[in-house]
Amino acid sequence: QKEVEQNSGPLSVPEGAIASLNCTYSDRGSQSFFWYRQYSGKSPELIMSIYSNGDKEDGRFTAQLNKASQYVSLLIRDSQPSDSATYLCAVNSGGYQKVTFGTGTKLQVIP
Amino acid sequence: GAVVSQHPSWVICKSGTSVKIECRSLDFQATTMFWYRQFPKQSLMLMATSNEGSKATYEQGVEKDKFLINHASLTLSTLTVTSAHPEDSSFYICSDAGGGSTDTQYFGPGTRLTVL
Repeated sequence: QKEVEQNSGPLSVPEGAIASLNCTYSDRGSQSFFWYRQYSGKSPELIMSIYSNGDKEDGRFTAQLNKASQYVSLLIRDSQPSDSATYLCAVNSGGYQKVTFGTGTKLQVIP
Repeated sequence: GAVVSQHPSWVICKSGTSVKIECRSLDFQATTMFWYRQFPKQSLMLMATSNEGSKATYEQGVEKDKFLINHASLTLSTLTVTSAHPEDSSFYICSDAGGGSTDTQYFGPGTRLTVL
């Protein structure tokens, strides 16, 4: 069973702080990694994708990938109340275009 | 990214009836689309992969005779929940891969099904 693990949270951070979201995966052969944001009652929206070890930055978001440790993370700088949502980690677990999702981490940004 | 629409956004039906959900890729031709289901406070669970012009591929544990998938054109996939029961009440979301060789998935807005 290929798994993607996330802490369900909630993770509470004050406004303006850095939020750090973590994800581990079991399939060492995974090549593609994604972070999605899902607001309550809405469908997921893509934040970032990452394919290579290291950091990838996009605005206030930074994805970090360490394939040796089978670990991917998402940092959100200058967190805003509008960032409050559930963040889903997704990993391509084999098969054309198929991904496996983690259960998500709920982030609460406190004004 | 790809633009995906779903219709209806919500539906309430009586137990035993069938419900059809449409998923459209608005900005490119999608040979492959995916159907997910999400129960409250749970993650997305892939139900099936919809393939244009051929049979859908269902995940283990998903009844293909209950969840009928049709992908008759490159822009439209439909999911029909047959003989719906209250336990089928869930949030159904489709996605496509945005074209090309990318495995990035873009989601439709979802359909909330409530079976009474």
